[in-house]
Amino acid sequence: ETGVTQTPRHLVMGMTNKKSLKCEQHLGHNAMYWYKQSAKKPLELMFVYNFKEQTENNSVPSRFSPECPNSSHLFLHLHTLQPEDSALYLCASSQDIGRGPGGTQYFGPGTRLTVL
Amino acid sequence: AQKITQTQPGMFVQEKEAVTLDCTYDTSDPSYGLFWYKQPSSGEMIFLIYQGSYDQQNATEGRYSLNFQKARKSANLVISASQLGDSAMYFCAMREGGTGNQFYFGTGTSLTVIP
Repeated sequence: ETGVTQTPRHLVMGMTNKKSLKCEQHLGHNAMYWYKQSAKKPLELMFVYNFKEQTENNSVPSRFSPECPNSSHLFLHLHTLQPEDSALYLCASSQDIGRGPGGTQYFGPGTRLTVL
Repeated sequence: AQKITQTQPGMFVQEKEAVTLDCTYDTSDPSYGLFWYKQPSSGEMIFLIYQGSYDQQNATEGRYSLNFQKARKSANLVISASQLGDSAMYFCAMREGGTGNQFYFGTGTSLTVIP
């Protein structure tokens, strides 16, 4: 059960560019998440939205700006990125944000971002 | 302290054999959920199995089972009858009851199935 799509799958951008990552979930879930996965590091939770409201911002630099217009769509706007921001960015959704089975997160395929 | 610890960076298993991937966790919350995910080289994280802290029985999903030892705070994943397609990274994760927004992941174990 994937049900979560992400575009683009690959993105190369310069440090002065502005780009956006898009995530869409077709599972009827209420919560959506952005994660960053760098080599040799655990997954880093960036943002959490529950019923379109941001409930978590894990000290993410302001050059990453999330947007959640509805429970099915999540965007990550990127501007003035640094080379160390190169990573796999994963979007996920869950029915709720609880510790029970409803809190199970389902992930998209990710966007592989390279910042030159 | 790390919330999730996976001590096996890499594991090898013969095709059709069983393999256990270790996971220990750290929480003082009596209510939590434990999750295992598989990440093939394509990058997508695939949900495998869930275990709730109050569940009396070990979770099973097809060839996957979770060896839940609450007192030891361990939640090892057992894959039976390994297949070549099982070669991937495997991540253990936890969600606590009081801070449901946080979903803690381990560093993962790379599993290679040998024909």
